[in-house]
Amino acid sequence: GAVVSQHPSWVICKSGTSVKIECRSLDFQATTMFWYRQFPKQSLMLMATSNEGSKATYEQGVEKDKFLINHASLTLSTLTVTSAHPEDSSFYICSAGEGLYETQYFGPGTRLLVL
Amino acid sequence: QQQVKQSPQSLIVQKGGISIINCAYENTAFDYFPWYQQFPGKGPALLIAIRPDVSEKKEGRFTISFNKSAKQFSLHIMDSQPGDSATYFCAASLRGGGNKLTFGTGTQLKVEL
Repeated sequence: GAVVSQHPSWVICKSGTSVKIECRSLDFQATTMFWYRQFPKQSLMLMATSNEGSKATYEQGVEKDKFLINHASLTLSTLTVTSAHPEDSSFYICSAGEGLYETQYFGPGTRLLVL
Repeated sequence: QQQVKQSPQSLIVQKGGISIINCAYENTAFDYFPWYQQFPGKGPALLIAIRPDVSEKKEGRFTISFNKSAKQFSLHIMDSQPGDSATYFCAASLRGGGNKLTFGTGTQLKVEL
């Protein structure tokens, strides 16, 4: 149980285009999902908290107009990187909270490369 | 006050040995302490977690030791295997904080034959 999927796993795009990443909880409903960014050999950096049916809460320093988050249902959250630039290239990982204590289960990640 | 300090940054252990990774926190309100294992190119996987009402939790070869007064917790991997080679992250959260996880900096473990 407690499986989280992400799609796509890999994406290469041109500078200036937008990219959408999907995060799904496959066998449970998640009121809260989280989006992280991870650079090589570094820890996970929380970007935003996504709550179903309401606006996402962004961490300090994260541009909400650049990283659009939508949590349309209890099993799906999306992250759209708008007008992507090479500096947005990174590993993006989502997690979903499950159970009474909202244990976080992570997706497999999406590697974004902006050329 | 929200930091979680993790050590060592990297660790090399012989097969069959014990791997020990330590974490320290400052916020006494934290009430949930999970450990995650991450392989290259993959998302973190929940390994084991503990709440502050117990001092130790064991699941197979993995044990968490928790010292509430010292605000420290550690992961012990018994009989370490080459397949355990990965990056390990400790984390902490509190329910009142929206269950946001505060992660340690990670420990890169290598288990040699």
